[in-house]
Amino acid sequence: DAGITQSPRYKITETGRQVTLMCHQTWSHSYMFWYRQDLGHGLRLIYYSAAADITDKGEVPDGYVVSRSKTENFPLTLESATRSQTSVYFCASSSSGGGYTFGSGTRLTVV
Amino acid sequence: QKEVEQDPGPLSVPEGAIVSLNCTYSNSAFQYFMWYRQYSRKGPELLMYTYSSGNKEDGRFTAQVDKSSKYISLFIRDSQPSDSATYLCAMSESGGYQKVTFGTGTKLQVIP
Repeated sequence: DAGITQSPRYKITETGRQVTLMCHQTWSHSYMFWYRQDLGHGLRLIYYSAAADITDKGEVPDGYVVSRSKTENFPLTLESATRSQTSVYFCASSSSGGGYTFGSGTRLTVV
Repeated sequence: QKEVEQDPGPLSVPEGAIVSLNCTYSNSAFQYFMWYRQYSRKGPELLMYTYSSGNKEDGRFTAQVDKSSKYISLFIRDSQPSDSATYLCAMSESGGYQKVTFGTGTKLQVIP
């Protein structure tokens, strides 16, 4: 199916564990982004990527790692999950302009 | 002070009403303005994308930008229950790749 897919949709993990959220897009968009959405804060940019092997920090990168070895995939890893990382995570992609297309999100709970 | 301010609502209106959603911003360099709609437990979807000042219409939706006042609006005519969602404004300084700054969203409920 064409589009942008995130997995898993829901995840519960324990404090201190490593967890990876997956993002896959089928349009070959150059740009990909990871946001977290929290009440009162709206969408905050964690990391973004302009192309394969090019990534950069956003507003709230601490505790997260990304990689982009292929254009279509942009996984987000929480190296050692903390309760403050409980959130809804959205992946998005964009061509050279015209707004973002978002995935359906991953709802992560850290206990 | 946040770069983009948006009233969180909730805003409740009867079906058929005209809805006005608004954002103010402080960065005069913003040139590209967007509105996203987000249904519960879904990702945001792009509704409107405009450049600089002026109006843009798409069906029942009209986006309005007033750069002199640093104020943008989204109007929804003949509102429907299916319009019930959270509406996020967003803006950026340049085209191409651009860092987009989002408002926190206004929750709209259209009552049948």
